Amino acid sequence: QVTLRESGPALVKPTQTLTLTCTFSGFSLSTSGMCVSWIRQPPGKALEWLARIDWDDDKYYSTSLKTRLTISKDTSKNQVVLTMTNMDPVDTATYYCAQSSQLEVWFDPWGQGTLVTVSS
Amino acid sequence: DIQMTQSPSSLSASVGDRVTITCRASQSISSYLNWYQQKPGKAPKLLIYAASSLQSGVPSRFSGSGSGTDFTLTISSLQPEDFATYYCQQSYSTPRTFGQGTRLEIK
Repeated sequence: QVTLRESGPALVKPTQTLTLTCTFSGFSLSTSGMCVSWIRQPPGKALEWLARIDWDDDKYYSTSLKTRLTISKDTSKNQVVLTMTNMDPVDTATYYCAQSSQLEVWFDPWGQGTLVTVSS
Repeated sequence: DIQMTQSPSSLSASVGDRVTITCRASQSISSYLNWYQQKPGKAPKLLIYAASSLQSGVPSRFSGSGSGTDFTLTISSLQPEDFATYYCQQSYSTPRTFGQGTRLEIK
């Protein structure tokens, strides 16, 4: 059974850097084809894909946010880390991580999400 | 980036109704289209992948169709637990993109 869980600060100040961790079980990111993505959702708004890291360490980013995002993995810890610099109140959102693969190119399952509020 | 446009943005319907939600891509995405259901305070749940394949455990009243740029999600007979928000998402190219969502409400 695959599970994912997001963790990180609930509150960050404007201009700070956000660091979120996705801890997963039931699969390994060293297995060929495996991928983990980050997706966010501002309160009452739509889902927005942010970034993806693949088993071979290939990385992909949102066009509009790529200058602020960095995704990385620690295969030994079964973790994927997302950093987002220069946080702004418009970045207030629930942040999710989700599994996909190169064969199963859909997001399933998802973590429960973690709400991050940006406020001074 | 590929833009995904859903219609309608919101929909009121009654238990037992047949409901169709449409998703249009800004360019052809073949059958690389997925549908998710999201209930308040919960993570999205995969319903349909590859345009028309039903995810394991999802009731058969849900179905998907389409290819190229136009896709539909149909619920054949609405049940009380189906009132939620539905999102389409393309997996044809990166960056992945979602539709703006369709909120399905009880009439």
